[in-house]
Amino acid sequence: QSALTQPASVSGSPGQSITISCTGTSSDVGGYNYVSWYQQHPGKAPKLMIYDVSKRPSGVSSRFSGSKSGNTASLTISGLQAEDEADYYCSSYTSISTWVFGGGTKLTVL
Amino acid sequence: QVQLQESGPGLVKPSQTLSLTCTVSGDSLSSGSFFWSWIRQPAGKGLEYIGRIYTSGPTIYNPSLKSRVTISVDTSKNQFSLRLSSVTAADTAVYYCARVSGTTDILTGYYVPDAFDIWGQGTMVTVSS
Repeated sequence: QSALTQPASVSGSPGQSITISCTGTSSDVGGYNYVSWYQQHPGKAPKLMIYDVSKRPSGVSSRFSGSKSGNTASLTISGLQAEDEADYYCSSYTSISTWVFGGGTKLTVL
Repeated sequence: QVQLQESGPGLVKPSQTLSLTCTVSGDSLSSGSFFWSWIRQPAGKGLEYIGRIYTSGPTIYNPSLKSRVTISVDTSKNQFSLRLSSVTAADTAVYYCARVSGTTDILTGYYVPDAFDIWGQGTMVTVSS
């Protein structure tokens, strides 16, 4: 199973919106609505931000939203804040009952 | 409040077996409500799924690691464990245990893993002689 494709880096200014893409295949992202997104600050464990493509766990800011079209999922962060600067990973359930992660995207808040 | 804590040796010699344990508090592994998983992350790199266990179903491994991995559960201690054999330097990484929430798939009716909703803090394992 190949890793999902994410941009290596994205950046935005405080208050702006950014979108991170996550491209897979019909055997993972395109075939299931079990796409999730994780935020990871340096030296910390990942934190679940979005699950089932667009659902937010309790306690996660409404500034975070997710969507999917075909084999590509997206994470949008609106009203960027300094604390959003982190690495973001997408993940998808696959046709062989495993999980596959994206390579990660480093978000820089300018 | 559910918490997961990894434990095990921080240094393993090449060709030996890496063994880690994840102790779960605040939830019961035998409840059958969740799946339990191991994930690793080499320094400066991305996350890699290792495998998952479910007390009411099969254990599923990453095909690339399947021949070397065993995940088991001890419900009496509320722990689940990872064993990775024949390790090399490429297995050096931070190892995380995680709880995986489940959902009933609308199309199949099966109970399937959903997302890694709670993570341990991670433990660094170095493979070196």
